[in-house]
Amino acid sequence: QVQLQQWGAGLLKPSETLSLTCAVYGGSFSGFSWTWIRQPPGKEMEWIGEISDSGSANYNPSLKGRVTISIDTAKNQFSLNLNSVTAADMAVYYCARKVYGGMFYWNYWGQGTLVTVSS
Amino acid sequence: DIVMTQSPDSLAVSLGERATINCRSSQSVLYSFNNKNYLAWYQQKPGQPPKLLIYWASTRESGVPDRFSGSGSGTNFTLTISSLQAEDVAVYYCQQYYDTPPTFGRGTKLQIK
Repeated sequence: QVQLQQWGAGLLKPSETLSLTCAVYGGSFSGFSWTWIRQPPGKEMEWIGEISDSGSANYNPSLKGRVTISIDTAKNQFSLNLNSVTAADMAVYYCARKVYGGMFYWNYWGQGTLVTVSS
Repeated sequence: DIVMTQSPDSLAVSLGERATINCRSSQSVLYSFNNKNYLAWYQQKPGQPPKLLIYWASTRESGVPDRFSGSGSGTNFTLTISSLQAEDVAVYYCQQYYDTPPTFGRGTKLQIK
């Protein structure tokens, strides 16, 4: 059974960098694309971006310039960095795996990490 | 970006009754070359990540009870729960994957009447 377990700092100050990591257990790591999605309170979920097992990344244009997704295939992990955070970046952040075949929907999710931005 | 609009925002239905949730996209998510609607539905319970229920607008994910069904095409879609169970209390989201970035609706909160 595929499991995604994520971790990272949950409390940041404005202008700091958000860093989260997601580890994948069970199933295959290769052949899939790995995604970060966030859910701000009271707002729609937002696709942040994704990375393929070969390291090719795509990002939401709304965040481009601040976001980097990286992958460590040796550890079956991928990571999210979002720099210069503000209160607008407060959300629950999820890692997720796209379905086989690459369509943009997700059938495996991490447990979520609440990120708060406060001075 | 394609805007997904759900209605109603919240819904209260009696146990055993039918629940219907609507989703409209700001442009068609029907891909003419394969005649597929690039739309998914998720269920999210408090403190949990979303769970995929339906994709291609009407295909149930493995393990999802058959009381859940999806319908619609183009820009208008419906998620129906034929006989509401207590465990179906949750927030339901639609999501389009026709275009990048994929986008979600704001959710419909389903409660027991």
